[in-house]
Amino acid sequence: EDKVVQSPLSLVVHEGDTVTLNCSYEVTNFRSLLWYKQEKKAPTFLFMLTSSGIEKKSGRLSSILDKKELFSILNITATQTGDSAVYLCAVINSGGSNYKLTFGKGTLLTVNP
Amino acid sequence: GAGVSQSPSNKVTEKGKDVELRCDPISGHTALYWYRQSLGQGLEFLIYFQGNSAPDKSGLPSDRFSAERTGGSVSTLTIQRTQQEDSAVYLCASSLLQGAGEQFFGPGTRLTVL
Repeated sequence: EDKVVQSPLSLVVHEGDTVTLNCSYEVTNFRSLLWYKQEKKAPTFLFMLTSSGIEKKSGRLSSILDKKELFSILNITATQTGDSAVYLCAVINSGGSNYKLTFGKGTLLTVNP
Repeated sequence: GAGVSQSPSNKVTEKGKDVELRCDPISGHTALYWYRQSLGQGLEFLIYFQGNSAPDKSGLPSDRFSAERTGGSVSTLTIQRTQQEDSAVYLCASSLLQGAGEQFFGPGTRLTVL
């Protein structure tokens, strides 16, 4: 069974801190790994990672994938209260002509002023 | 609008009743996905549609759940004889291509079964 495990489950930091969120996975036929930010109901897309060792960056957020060790990290530098959200990691696997997205349970990040 | 839309936004029903949840994907997106998120849980895959291919129903939790997609666009998720454990937020997402990665999510339907 495909598995995506995120850690920590929750994290409380102060504004300005740097955080690292972890995602490890066990899937057959790995295709890509995605990070989402979920503040209210609908997750919003952050990054898609397909190749190992190539950092994706968007402002204060960055992410990298290690396909050998089967994990990814999401870094947020100089955190702001607006970064408070659940961060979801998901993996796409492909079997034949089918693709499936398996999500982790998420990391709840709280940034206090 | 340009995004994925879902209706209703909230639905309260009594145990044993049937419910229908609707999803309008982004125009031109060939892949459509249904997920549900129970309180404190991660997103659970339910079903996905790709073009005219047979849908992948492997995530449906029981035969009370079914979904259809008409004309390759609008999708309806039907839950028959609802149970209290069906209470969750049901999210729909679409993507331009199957396996393209970036899925655009709708705002979800919060289903409460009393």
